[in-house]
Amino acid sequence: QKEVEQNSGPLSVPEGAIASLNCTYSDRGSQSFFWYRQYSGKSPELIMSIYSNGDKEDGRFTAQLNKASQYVSLLIRDSQPSDSATYLCAVNTNAGKSTFGDGTTLTVKP
Amino acid sequence: GAVVSQHPSRVICKSGTSVKIECRSLDFQATTMFWYRQFPKQSLMLMATSNEGSKATYEQGVEKDKFLINHASLTLSTLTVTSAHPEDSSFYICSASPGTAMNTEAFFGQGTRLTVV
Repeated sequence: QKEVEQNSGPLSVPEGAIASLNCTYSDRGSQSFFWYRQYSGKSPELIMSIYSNGDKEDGRFTAQLNKASQYVSLLIRDSQPSDSATYLCAVNTNAGKSTFGDGTTLTVKP
Repeated sequence: GAVVSQHPSRVICKSGTSVKIECRSLDFQATTMFWYRQFPKQSLMLMATSNEGSKATYEQGVEKDKFLINHASLTLSTLTVTSAHPEDSSFYICSASPGTAMNTEAFFGQGTRLTVV
């Protein structure tokens, strides 16, 4: 079992729809969870961080964490073509040291 | 957010030569930096943890004699790919954190695209 698993893509949604990205992790003691966006050929950029159970909203993005189920998700509302990218789920084992999922490629069609 | 600068962004070298990649934290000090490698359509794989003033910690399967890491100051870590071969061609990315708490996020450099011909 991989330490961090993401739902296999690619994921395609129409413009304006909600995109849902999912991630599970194996280390029950994990405390910090991050979503990164990576455009092709570029370095990852942080979208959201979440540390407590529940929802965390930032603009069009909502991260959801359920530690009991070892599950973290990212919702993108009103998806835009510019949101088309690969989204990486990351779990911290030590400060700054992240284990990444394989990523889910999202395509938002105009 | 904090800024991490990586240089060069792209390099092409001949097989058998060595290439040095620099990673700098521009507005914070980082006692620890991380080096990742990413092959096309794959995720980031941690290669090693760079520790200021001490030896780097390498992940299983990463050759420490091939990927030399030096973390001589709190703002600079370097990765040297020695005797590079075409299979070393990849996207190398560094990251650093401004803090030591578990919830401290990592900031990534721009990445270095290495092509060995």
